[in-house]
Amino acid sequence: GESVGLHLPTLSVQEGDNSIINCAYSNSASDYFIWYKQESGKGPQFIIDIRSNMDKRQGQRVTVLLNKTVKHLSLQIAATQPGDSAVYFCAELQMDSSYKLIFGSGTRLLVRP
Amino acid sequence: DTGVSQNPRHKITKRGQNVTFRCDPISEHNRLYWYRQTLGQGPEFLTYFQNEAQLEKSRLLSDRFSAERPKGSFSTLEIQRTEQGDSAMYLCASSLLRGHTEAFFGQGTRLTVV
Repeated sequence: GESVGLHLPTLSVQEGDNSIINCAYSNSASDYFIWYKQESGKGPQFIIDIRSNMDKRQGQRVTVLLNKTVKHLSLQIAATQPGDSAVYFCAELQMDSSYKLIFGSGTRLLVRP
Repeated sequence: DTGVSQNPRHKITKRGQNVTFRCDPISEHNRLYWYRQTLGQGPEFLTYFQNEAQLEKSRLLSDRFSAERPKGSFSTLEIQRTEQGDSAMYLCASSLLRGHTEAFFGQGTRLTVV
């Protein structure tokens, strides 16, 4: 079936540096791509989404890039902070009747002090 | 706290027993979802409610699983005759109707079947 996957299971960055988390997807029919952050013992938390007809969207300290040619999605976090340490998931959303999310397996971000 | 609430947070049960989890979504949210998450993996969709109607079920949802949302507010997920393979985090999420992509997740119920 269709799936969303991630390239790297763990990313370690120095506090203050920028982080880039990558994701490959396979379903070209998805309407939105969404990044979620999950801290230990908590449920996933919405970070930012991007519609499939866009290639870039910026939020507070985060930027999502979408390259539909190679089916690649990335999340850039500027000036990474210790509070950014978590597992990050990309997910795809089809705006059908359910709006259910299809998640990948996650990348753990570790921020070194 | 006006977020999605799940109870219990943890459940340990013996194989073969039945368990029931509860989810209280954000009050004005019409859509309610159940997901299952195993260690190191992303959440997997189980089922979806729009108000009180269960409109979609994943093939992952075997006959031992049943979910309800009787009044369109809270929901329950019951697993009968639990198996060790049912051990996972069960997450509930809710969202508004059309046009809203953001789903809000609860903290989950961690089930351990021994």
